[in-house]
Amino acid sequence: GESVGLHLPTLSVQEGDNSIINCAYSNSASDYFIWYKQESGKGPQFIIDIRSNMDKRQGQRVTVLLNKTVKHLSLQIAATQPGDSAVYFCAEINAGNMLTFGGGTRLMVKP
Amino acid sequence: KAGVTQTPRYLIKTRGQQVTLSCSPISGHRSVSWYQQTPGQGLQFLFEYFSETQRNKGNFPGRFSGRQFSNSRSEMNVSTLELGDSALYLCASSLEAGHQPQHFGDGTRLSIL
Repeated sequence: GESVGLHLPTLSVQEGDNSIINCAYSNSASDYFIWYKQESGKGPQFIIDIRSNMDKRQGQRVTVLLNKTVKHLSLQIAATQPGDSAVYFCAEINAGNMLTFGGGTRLMVKP
Repeated sequence: KAGVTQTPRYLIKTRGQQVTLSCSPISGHRSVSWYQQTPGQGLQFLFEYFSETQRNKGNFPGRFSGRQFSNSRSEMNVSTLELGDSALYLCASSLEAGHQPQHFGDGTRLSIL
């Protein structure tokens, strides 16, 4: 599959460990945030979202934390599995309801 | 329910040519957005269509255009292709205009020789 980014920051974790992927966003007026996962050769896949009136939201094995004070978003993946290996993007909704994507982080899971 | 379908998956063109890419949204979704993904620039918004009307447009030259049909299917067109247009073009659909989250197709990989 094609590479979505040749110089992406990379997080390497051991299978079974927890992963934390961080994202800084730019617009303090953004009120909605999404995490997407992109596997090689595929389009971004929705993982979890959070609105600005929340600090934390949990899904299945994933948790998103939002710190509006420092404009920081994180995605926590519990018990990371080889199938979690992918590029992860955070995205924010700006004025006009357009998605603005971060640069992405490559997660590599070592068996 | 079938996901977002993009055709073709791969395309090779030469400089100066034009190209048309197609996107079929998830059944019942009426909004379609297009994005360009490159290693250098990441994912960038091109435009959004809803009810056959362009609702939003990103910062791309006029060579990039699109349209939406009454069945919500969308096409995007790039004219006078340049080497820098080589990219993965992604289509995403959502229920209504501005509705989130958007659901993405697997893209069309366009290579310009």
